[in-house]
Amino acid sequence: KNQVEQSPQSLIILEGKNCTLQCNYTVSPFSNLRWYKQDTGRGPVSLTIMTFSENTKSNGRYTATLDADTKQSSLHITASQLSDSASYICVVTVSGYSTLTFGKGTMLLVSP
Amino acid sequence: KAGVTQTPRYLIKTRGQQVTLSCSPISGHRSVSWYQQTPGQGLQFLFEYFSETQRNKGNFPGRFSGRQFSNSRSEMNVSTLELGDSALYLCASSINPGLAGGNEQFFGPGTRLTVL
Repeated sequence: KNQVEQSPQSLIILEGKNCTLQCNYTVSPFSNLRWYKQDTGRGPVSLTIMTFSENTKSNGRYTATLDADTKQSSLHITASQLSDSASYICVVTVSGYSTLTFGKGTMLLVSP
Repeated sequence: KAGVTQTPRYLIKTRGQQVTLSCSPISGHRSVSWYQQTPGQGLQFLFEYFSETQRNKGNFPGRFSGRQFSNSRSEMNVSTLELGDSALYLCASSINPGLAGGNEQFFGPGTRLTVL
């Protein structure tokens, strides 16, 4: 069964600190993995996308890594800001079609 | 380009009623997918429409239905509402998921449905 597991479920960090969110998946065959940021009451917005051959992708202070062998991905946030407070969702696409498998997300709260 | 729009943004209904939600995709996008998001379950796939045809369907009861029009706009309908249907309903559009690189989905802001 295709599954995406995210950890931690929630996280509180101080403004300016770094953090790393984890995503483990069992989706097969794998096409790509995306990280989305979802602000409360809004739709998710794509941060990064990585295919099988990519192991790092950056978007400003966000850096995603992918280990296709261990089927793990991480999202590292550097020098966190209050506006980073949101849910971060890992989404894996099954190869060849539009089927997406979503993780339940990590709720990040950046405290001043 | 305008993003994905959804109407209404907020809706309050009572049990047993029915509701219709609307989604206008990004211009040129032919695929529209619908998701239900609740705090405990995260995002759950409802169905996907492409060129007015339902191409994929999630594991939801028949009370949930949808359709897509020739201009790619889509509606979803929920009949005989239950308390558990309270959720954020998200619509996402993409160019054509079957094309390489074409499966990036762009989400709308969602419709917050509350069933009393």
